[in-house]
Amino acid sequence: EVQLLESGGGLVQPGGSLRLSCAASGFTFSNYAMAWVRQAPGKGLEWVSSIDGSGGSSYYADSVKGRFTTSRDSSKNTLYLQMNSLRAEDTALYYCAKAHMLVYFDYWGQGALVTVSS
Amino acid sequence: ETVLTQSPGTLSLSPGERGTLSCRASQSVSNNYLAWYQQKSGQAPRLLIYGASSRATGIPDRFSGSGSGTDFTLTISRLEPEDFAVYYCQQYGNSPLTFGGGTKVEIK
Repeated sequence: EVQLLESGGGLVQPGGSLRLSCAASGFTFSNYAMAWVRQAPGKGLEWVSSIDGSGGSSYYADSVKGRFTTSRDSSKNTLYLQMNSLRAEDTALYYCAKAHMLVYFDYWGQGALVTVSS
Repeated sequence: ETVLTQSPGTLSLSPGERGTLSCRASQSVSNNYLAWYQQKSGQAPRLLIYGASSRATGIPDRFSGSGSGTDFTLTISRLEPEDFAVYYCQQYGNSPLTFGGGTKVEIK
C-alpha cells in the first residue's frame, strides 16, 4: 500500500524558511517522480514542483521559482521541499504526491500546513 | 499558461441522479492530457481519471471522462452518497501544470 506522510509544517514569519519532508513507503521510491501540490485555506489546488525519480531534474511553478527547492533522498525514501523567503501568500496545506511521469498525481499524502504570518 | 474553467461552481443533486461536470481550457490541451480528482471534506484529493477518459485504479465505473481539445466532461452516472465532494480537473499537456477551480457536488 502506498503511503506518503508529510512533516515539518508550522508557523513562520514572512521572509523566513521552512523545510517539509515526505516519507514514502509501499513502492520503489527511486523509480517514480514525486511532486508537491498546495491548497490555500478554502481555495483550490496549485501545483508547486515536480522532481524525477533520480532527483536530477526538478520543475517549479513561477510563483515559487527561485525561492523553493525540491530534493529527494532515495536512501531514506524521503522527499523534501525547502522553502525560503516565505510570503503570506505561501500559506497553504502542502501535499506530497506520487507523480506519474512528473505530470499527474496518483497518490497523495494528508498534507502539512504552512502558515506564514507575523 | 492554460487556464481551466470548471462549471458549474456548485451542482445540487439527489442520490441516484446523473452528474455532469464541465472543464473548459483556455487553449487546446495537448494529447488530451487531462485528469480529474475528487476531494472530500478534510481529505486529500484522489485521482479518478487520467488521459481524459481512463479510470484510475479502483475507481468505480459510474465515473467516466470524455472530451478533447478544450472541452472536457466528468460524468457520474448515478450519484452515491459518498460521491458528494469537490471535483477538480488538471491539465498536463501544456506547461505549467494547472488545475481548475473546482465544482462542488452537494446533496439537494
